[in-house]
Amino acid sequence: KQEVTQIPAALSVPEGENLVLNCSFTDSAIYNLQWFRQDPGKGLTSLLLIQSSQREQTSGRLNASLDKSSGRSTLYIAASQPGDSATYLCAVLNYGGSQGNLIFGKGTKLSVKP
Amino acid sequence: NAGVTQTPKFQVLKTGQSMTLQCAQDMNHEYMSWYRQDPGMGLRLIHYSVGAGITDQGEVPNGYNVSRSTTEDFPLRLLSAAPSQTSVYFCASSYSGEGSALHFGNGTRLTVT
Repeated sequence: KQEVTQIPAALSVPEGENLVLNCSFTDSAIYNLQWFRQDPGKGLTSLLLIQSSQREQTSGRLNASLDKSSGRSTLYIAASQPGDSATYLCAVLNYGGSQGNLIFGKGTKLSVKP
Repeated sequence: NAGVTQTPKFQVLKTGQSMTLQCAQDMNHEYMSWYRQDPGMGLRLIHYSVGAGITDQGEVPNGYNVSRSTTEDFPLRLLSAAPSQTSVYFCASSYSGEGSALHFGNGTRLTVT
């Protein structure tokens, strides 16, 4: 059974720092891995999607990498800002799973201090 | 575009009552799904649909029913509410194919007393 783990559960950094959030998964047979952002009281917003054949994706100050063989993904946030404060979740779509059947980690709560 | 719209935003039920959580999307997505989010448990899949007329169970389907009569709508029915169903419920949708990102609604916070 696929398990997705995110460490740390919470992270506090000063504004301007570059930071890395980690995601690991136990079964490397995945279609894709997605990173989401969740603000308090809100739904999830898709940030980046990496397909199984890709190694990384970039959007603005965000860069996500995928290493299927080691079962790891990282989300790199450059020059962090207080507006980046949110919970970040990763999720994987297994081979044989439908698009609606993502397996989620429990998230990393990020706080960026001014 | 409105995206994924969930109603109501908040709901309080008494044990044993039934209700329907509404979800609608205007993006012509084939896939729709329902998740519940609980502290310490993360997001867990309740039911999902790959198209109109087709539904399937997720990880935690007991106590919930779904139907998909149109592409746009995917309501979630609580048959007889229990305190264990107190949670935040999210509806999500996407196009088919592994390159499609999942779009979420803003959630319904349900309390069962």
